[in-house]
Amino acid sequence: EDKVVQSPLSLVVHEGDTVTLNCSYEVTNFRSLLWYKQEKKAPTFLFMLTSSGIEKKSGRLSSILDKKELFSILNITATQTGDSAVYLCAVEMSNTGKLIFGQGTTLQVKP
Amino acid sequence: DGGITQSPKYLFRKEGQNVTLSCEQNLNHDAMYWYRQDPGQGLRLIYYSQIVNDFQKGDIAEGYSVSREKKESFPLTVTSAQKNPTAFYLCASTWNEKLFFGSGTQLSVL
Repeated sequence: EDKVVQSPLSLVVHEGDTVTLNCSYEVTNFRSLLWYKQEKKAPTFLFMLTSSGIEKKSGRLSSILDKKELFSILNITATQTGDSAVYLCAVEMSNTGKLIFGQGTTLQVKP
Repeated sequence: DGGITQSPKYLFRKEGQNVTLSCEQNLNHDAMYWYRQDPGQGLRLIYYSQIVNDFQKGDIAEGYSVSREKKESFPLTVTSAQKNPTAFYLCASTWNEKLFFGSGTQLSVL
């Protein structure tokens, strides 16, 4: 069965801390892995990863994919209270284009 | 403004009632999706449509129905057969392999 597992499920840190969110997957037809940030309601796109070992960066956020070990990490440095959100990882299937989502990691950044 | 519009934001369903959630997009995207989100869980795919007049069941299609008569519109009906409909419903469309989401509808049972 295809599945995506995120860890930890929830995390509480203080402003300025660095956090690492994990996403592991077992799918039969992998095309890409995507990270989304969900605050309040609609998830917003962060990164799409297709190749191993190539880090993608956007400000204080970065992500990398390991297709051999079947996982990705999302790093957030110098966290701010505005980083508080649910972070969703999803894997896109190459045969159908469908996305399989993980459970999400709820991050709370305290002042 | 281009985007995906879901309505209503909040919806209440009575026992045995069918309700329809609206999803409209003006992004000219071909593919559209409906996801269900329960507390502490990721998004689960209900139905998707890759082209007008065609749609496929997702992982949890039982108790739901959809139509895709126009490219811009992909309404979801939650039927009385769906015994646990309370959840947050997200509509999405894709462009260049990226999902764009609407703001969601929270459905609750009276």
